[in-house]
Amino acid sequence: DAGITQSPRHKVTETGTPVTLRCHQTENHRYMYWYRQDPGHGLRLIHYSYGVKDTDKGEVSDGYSVSRSKTEDFLLTLESATSSQTSVYFCAISEVPPREPGQPQHFGDGTRLSIL
Amino acid sequence: DQQVKQNSPSLSVQEGRISILNCDYTNSMFDYFLWYKKYPAEGPTFLISISSIKDKNEDGRFTVFLNKSAKHLSLHIVPSQPGDSAVYFCAASARETSGSRLTFGEGTQLTVNP
Repeated sequence: DAGITQSPRHKVTETGTPVTLRCHQTENHRYMYWYRQDPGHGLRLIHYSYGVKDTDKGEVSDGYSVSRSKTEDFLLTLESATSSQTSVYFCAISEVPPREPGQPQHFGDGTRLSIL
Repeated sequence: DQQVKQNSPSLSVQEGRISILNCDYTNSMFDYFLWYKKYPAEGPTFLISISSIKDKNEDGRFTVFLNKSAKHLSLHIVPSQPGDSAVYFCAASARETSGSRLTFGEGTQLTVNP
């Protein structure tokens, strides 16, 4: 299994509070991704990184920011959490663009975030 | 705008029979497709992929078919086993986005009954 650790695994917080989720990898992969999974929507890309300090927006980036100061860590921050951000968040990594045969994205086990 | 759609939220089949999961896409720039499987409380795991230069790719019990003119792909599982019960996501990427991004469908819950 790819070495991906997401923390925390579960979090309950209140509307308006800041929240930071951490993704840590031990594979030295270049690409890292944050997704959210919601019923009826599947997995939607929030932000991704293609190198240290290199990030780009995904399809649902509003309300989220990311930082990648070193290869192994990719942080997702909700500056002021809202109830619509209640979701399961997945981090993924890949060594090369995931369209290369035999080089898919590998996912962490997710963080369940509830915002009351 | 859902560019990758899995129109069946759920599918139930008997053990030993064939499971067919379908996926449609609208973006004609997509040229690489993947299927992922997800068990509860775990992250998705890669299953099989196909490039648009092919129309079929097989790996053991799993075969993916691509019909580019219809913008449709399907995943066949033969024979189906109870351990195949999971949510299946199809995903697509386009070279124009440097291939770094995947667009996922909504997922189909497959239940294989013993």
